[in-house]
Amino acid sequence: DGGITQSPKYLFRKEGQNVTLSCEQNLNHDAMYWYRQDPGQGLRLIYYSQIVNDFQKGDIAEGYSVSREKKESFPLTVTSAQKNPTAFYLCASSQASSYNEQFFGPGTRLTVL
Amino acid sequence: AQSVSQHNHHVILSEAASLELGCNYSYGGTVNLFWYVQYPGQHLQLLLKYFSGDPLVKGIKGFEAEFIKSKFSFNLRKPSVQWSDTAEYFCAVRSGNNRLAFGKGNQVVVIP
Repeated sequence: DGGITQSPKYLFRKEGQNVTLSCEQNLNHDAMYWYRQDPGQGLRLIYYSQIVNDFQKGDIAEGYSVSREKKESFPLTVTSAQKNPTAFYLCASSQASSYNEQFFGPGTRLTVL
Repeated sequence: AQSVSQHNHHVILSEAASLELGCNYSYGGTVNLFWYVQYPGQHLQLLLKYFSGDPLVKGIKGFEAEFIKSKFSFNLRKPSVQWSDTAEYFCAVRSGNNRLAFGKGNQVVVIP
């Protein structure tokens, strides 16, 4: 089955630790995205990548980092500089053309203790 | 930057009632419009989309949305809801690039 996988589903970390969230897609999509979802806030874009080895900051990139070494993978690192990291993180992908929808993964719920 | 407004964050209604969720956006140029739905415990999925053509768009599960360019709106409707429509609904707008701007969502609860 084609789709987007995110692992793990639940993640717990101590304050001050960096943590990396995985996102893999086998849809052969060029573009990938990371969003953060907080109750009552909708989805906010953290980073996005339209092609391998290239990525851009979204609206709330501070305290996060990404890499795009392979077309199918777009890991997100939540660093200790992120002041409020506890949230639900969603990964998405799409074809690069602007006439395509984004497909979403199941999400990772990160809790920082 | 594009902004998207969704009103009435919490909506509670009975089965068979009609549902209308408002969505307004700020950008006045060419836009692509989407409604996504997130059922409890499930991932976000596309309900319907508008790119061009007929401004009345029909989606899955009996939902439809109307694009009114003069009002910068893309309201979602369903004539008769079911308990299974309980979910969070997000309006999203793309303008000028591949980025989507999302509204804050509508939490809809349908009482059997």
